[in-house]
Amino acid sequence: DQQVKQNSPSLSVQEGRISILNCDYTNSMFDYFLWYKKYPAEGPTFLISISSIKDKNEDGRFTVFLNKSAKHLSLHIVPSQPGDSAVYFCAAPRNRDDKIIFGKGTRLHILP
Amino acid sequence: NAGVTQTPKFQVLKTGQSMTLQCAQDMNHNSMYWYRQDPGMGLRLIYYSASEGTTDKGEVPNGYNVSRLNKREFSLRLESAAPSQTSVYFCASTPSGNEKLFFGSGTQLSVL
Repeated sequence: DQQVKQNSPSLSVQEGRISILNCDYTNSMFDYFLWYKKYPAEGPTFLISISSIKDKNEDGRFTVFLNKSAKHLSLHIVPSQPGDSAVYFCAAPRNRDDKIIFGKGTRLHILP
Repeated sequence: NAGVTQTPKFQVLKTGQSMTLQCAQDMNHNSMYWYRQDPGMGLRLIYYSASEGTTDKGEVPNGYNVSRLNKREFSLRLESAAPSQTSVYFCASTPSGNEKLFFGSGTQLSVL
């Protein structure tokens, strides 16, 4: 069963506009979420995280929102830049046993 | 700052051959992970090691074995490679399970 779901395989956004990437989860015990960014031929790199005690965390152009009642989180990138073109993964530790599992990823294309 | 180092970067095997993927981290992290990335499947956890001397299965452990040789090194072994194991393999580490992962640059493995 897929406990972390990213239902949009790809997303195209005009440069300068807002990019919104979505993630849903099924396990209400998840209490910490992470977003990773991956360029081709490189390993993923950590982008931003959020604890379940918060509903928003901001870091520069990146903001993650958490809606616990809907079991949904989203990553907002404002303004979108060409270097943001990458695959973005949502992730969460599973069942407090330290195993971090990932969604399938969303490929973001920033259009000139 | 080496971070997480994986070797080799590329490997081609014939069905039935064996090989070991090496991973080492120099950040004194406790937890180490092996993931595989396949198109449309995201990052799937193969095996995990919470600390030196311990290992645990992830989502897709079949066909693999691991060894946590010491705190720095975590190797992944394919005893009899199969075409279904063609993938990009990533090693990662973290101080503890609920903190951000640091990834290596990956090993691209093709099994013919």
